[in-house]
Amino acid sequence: SQTIHQWPATLVQPVGSPLSLECTVEGTSNPNLYWYRQAAGRGLQLLFYSVGIGQISSEVPQNLSASRPQDRQFILSSKKLLLSDSGFYLCAWRGKEYSNQPQHFGDGTRLSIL
Amino acid sequence: GNSVTQMEGPVTLSEEAFLTINCTYTATGYPSLFWYVQYPGEGLQLLLKATKADDKGSNKGFEATYRKETTSFHLEKGSVQVSDSAVYFCALIIPINFNKFYFGSGTKLNVKP
Repeated sequence: SQTIHQWPATLVQPVGSPLSLECTVEGTSNPNLYWYRQAAGRGLQLLFYSVGIGQISSEVPQNLSASRPQDRQFILSSKKLLLSDSGFYLCAWRGKEYSNQPQHFGDGTRLSIL
Repeated sequence: GNSVTQMEGPVTLSEEAFLTINCTYTATGYPSLFWYVQYPGEGLQLLLKATKADDKGSNKGFEATYRKETTSFHLEKGSVQVSDSAVYFCALIIPINFNKFYFGSGTKLNVKP
């Protein structure tokens, strides 16, 4: 069966520090991968998605970036964090075997910026 | 454009009450529709889905019927439990771009014993 792992689960970082969040998927190949951000008590904001290695689509201009160095690895990064980057970050994957497959989410990383 | 509209929350119910969470959509073509549930501090879990008009998705006592004529996919449960307290998200994908999901803003459900 397929599983998705995100780490760390929680992170506290000072303003201006760098960021690296990692997401890996097991049990599938060539998935679509997604990064979302969820502000407290709010809905989901799609940040990036990837349909393959090295292919990144950015949905929202910001000081974040994403990379997909391996088929089942998706990394969210920032060179200098802002207070507004606080939130709950969710990674998701989706298979391509048929057109209406759902997305499957990780457990999230709660990021607090001080 | 493509979008999902959910009823504002929070919705507060007593245990064993009937639940309806409204979801309507605007979409290009014939979308597939989903309900996800998010428990506190966790990621989203797929609750149910429907892929064509008049399909009924069901899981764990929850149901939703894909109504093309009213562009709706309302979530229902006959008797809620305290453990159903969570945030519920309605979502869609469209045939011309299955890579991107469109999510509603979420509806928080509080069930009191």
